[in-house]
Amino acid sequence: GEDVEQSLFLSVREGDSSVINCTYTDSSSTYLYWYKQEPGAGLQLLTYIFSNMDMKQDQRLTVLLNKKDKHLSLRIADTQTGDSAIYFCAETANSGNTPLVFGKGTRLSVIA
Amino acid sequence: DVKVTQSSRYLVKRTGEKVFLECVQDMDHENMFWYRQDPGLGLRLIYFSYDVKMKEKGDIPEGYSVSREKKERFSLILESASTNQTSMYLCASRPGTGGLAQYFGPGTRLLVL
Repeated sequence: GEDVEQSLFLSVREGDSSVINCTYTDSSSTYLYWYKQEPGAGLQLLTYIFSNMDMKQDQRLTVLLNKKDKHLSLRIADTQTGDSAIYFCAETANSGNTPLVFGKGTRLSVIA
Repeated sequence: DVKVTQSSRYLVKRTGEKVFLECVQDMDHENMFWYRQDPGLGLRLIYFSYDVKMKEKGDIPEGYSVSREKKERFSLILESASTNQTSMYLCASRPGTGGLAQYFGPGTRLLVL
């Protein structure tokens, strides 16, 4: 079945850029997502990208998609302590009734 | 704004009890989902529903059942709670039109003693 892989941990210094990487196996993936989970909370949608795009920028967030390598990344510029959280990558083919496939999440720790 | 609410943030139950976790969404979404989240295992799909009275098993349905009598409400039932069901439970909803995101509730942290 489809699979989404992420590294489990990332540690960065406050003010640096963070890059969280994700790879997926489903070649029919049409939509790819990044979610953020703060401690004790649910998942919050951060951003998403269509497979016909290779980049999307939203303030401090930049999403890069390499469809050939099935690689997605999330760059957070000027990382702040409030960015400390678990970040989940997810994907779906263009089907409304199927669940998203999630990675296991990357825990980002920001050191002051 | 999409709102998904869950009936409890924290629950403590005893082994063998019947447990109901309720989820309500206010955006008329066709699809609703129940996940559990455990350290190192990520999100695991228990059940989902794409319409009223419809349900589909996810990856780990054993020990759980669900009910969807109304479009906005999706209930997860633990018929006889066990200690290995101690976990964080997350509900989500999604529109029926393809490709749009899932929206999550705040989660219920369940402890089974």
